[in-house]
Amino acid sequence: DPKIIQKPKYLVAVTGSEKILICEQYLGHNAMYWYRQSAKKPLEFMFSYSYQKLMDNQTASSRFQPQSSKKNHLDLQITALKPDDSATYFCASSQDGTFYAEQFFGPGTRLTVL
Amino acid sequence: TQTVSQSDAHVTVFEGDSVELRCNYSYGGSIYLSWYIQHHGRGLQFLLKYYSGNPVVQGVNGFEAEFSKSDSSFHLRKASVHWSDSAVYFCAVSASSGSWQLIFGSGTQLTVMP
Repeated sequence: DPKIIQKPKYLVAVTGSEKILICEQYLGHNAMYWYRQSAKKPLEFMFSYSYQKLMDNQTASSRFQPQSSKKNHLDLQITALKPDDSATYFCASSQDGTFYAEQFFGPGTRLTVL
Repeated sequence: TQTVSQSDAHVTVFEGDSVELRCNYSYGGSIYLSWYIQHHGRGLQFLLKYYSGNPVVQGVNGFEAEFSKSDSSFHLRKASVHWSDSAVYFCAVSASSGSWQLIFGSGTQLTVMP
């Protein structure tokens, strides 16, 4: 059974619209993360959360807003979508928020912005 | 600032060959190193990690990696590859002085020919 669920698997959006990417983990972990992988750049860290609190934000734009309604959820809201936002977005989690904690990744949501 | 360099974008070998995928990092403090594998269209799967202790670490599916502080390297090796090992391999580093983010290299595409 998948331990980290990301929904949807594929997402197509038009420029200027808003989308929410869903992430749920069933590993009992306390820390969650978002990463982005695009054709132009390697895997990039976006956010880290620990016990539902934002710990680090490496995104330059406020259009990206993580939302944690439950300890095992970390959704990603993206507003005013641009074609450059097209990428695969990976959610990850770790037992706790230490730099040496093994991070487990979900299958990703592939976002295409037209 | 931590950086990770994977000098080989593509490596092609034959089934049964040994392989070494190179990873060099730049950082002077306490670090955590790991390798992930990504099969086409899939998420990242953890292979192995190093934080302290024995510099040679064993991972899943016969992979091992060796940490060298003097060379700032964490190369991944496998003695005998199988066609199913064809994938992209990512080296990642996390540092104690930064956030919990994993900083990834650009990846090495390993192709195993039958």
